Amino acid sequence: GQQLNQSPQSMFIQEGEDVSMNCTSSSIFNTWLWYKQDPGEGPVLLIALYKAGELTSNGRLTAQFGITRKDSFLNISASIPSDVGIYFCAGLNYGGSQGNLIFGKGTKLSVKP
Amino acid sequence: DTEVTQTPKHLVMGMTNKKSLKCEQHMGHRAMYWYKQKAKKPPELMFVYSYEKLSINESVPSRFSPECPNSSLLNLHLHALQPEDSALYLCASSDRGSLSGYTFGSGTRLTVV
Repeated sequence: GQQLNQSPQSMFIQEGEDVSMNCTSSSIFNTWLWYKQDPGEGPVLLIALYKAGELTSNGRLTAQFGITRKDSFLNISASIPSDVGIYFCAGLNYGGSQGNLIFGKGTKLSVKP
Repeated sequence: DTEVTQTPKHLVMGMTNKKSLKCEQHMGHRAMYWYKQKAKKPPELMFVYSYEKLSINESVPSRFSPECPNSSLLNLHLHALQPEDSALYLCASSDRGSLSGYTFGSGTRLTVV
């Protein structure tokens, strides 16, 4: 089946640092999505990418849809404590009205001790 | 309204109980989904409804019974669950071309005792 490779698995951040994570796939997706999930809550959509090569920003977040449609990265600039959580990438293809969403395994962001 | 609303937020049930989880969206999305999520893992797809009809059942045990009363509502009926069914249950909705993307609710934290 389809799988997404998301890296890194976890990382520690210090306030003010920039953060980068990425996802790769062996399959082509029409849409890439990036979610953040806090403990006990549902995933919240951060950025949606619809076109190959597209670069999109949302505040301190920037994400790009790879030109081959098989990869994407997410950058967070000047991290703050509330950025901690689990970030999931997801590839999405539609068949009719329903979407086939494939998740990466997640990147856990924690604060450096 | 760009939200998916799930109730209850938390649920504790015994193995002989019957309970229901509820999900509602008013974005006009034509596809709705149930996911199960264990700690530190990505969500796993359980059921897909498209145009109010069940289109995908990912080999989920019959003790989980989905229902879609109308285009805005999705229920998950629970009966004779096992402790290993304890998890975060997420509802989502989507529609091709929708700017609200593939949207998740905040989930129901289910504990089976």
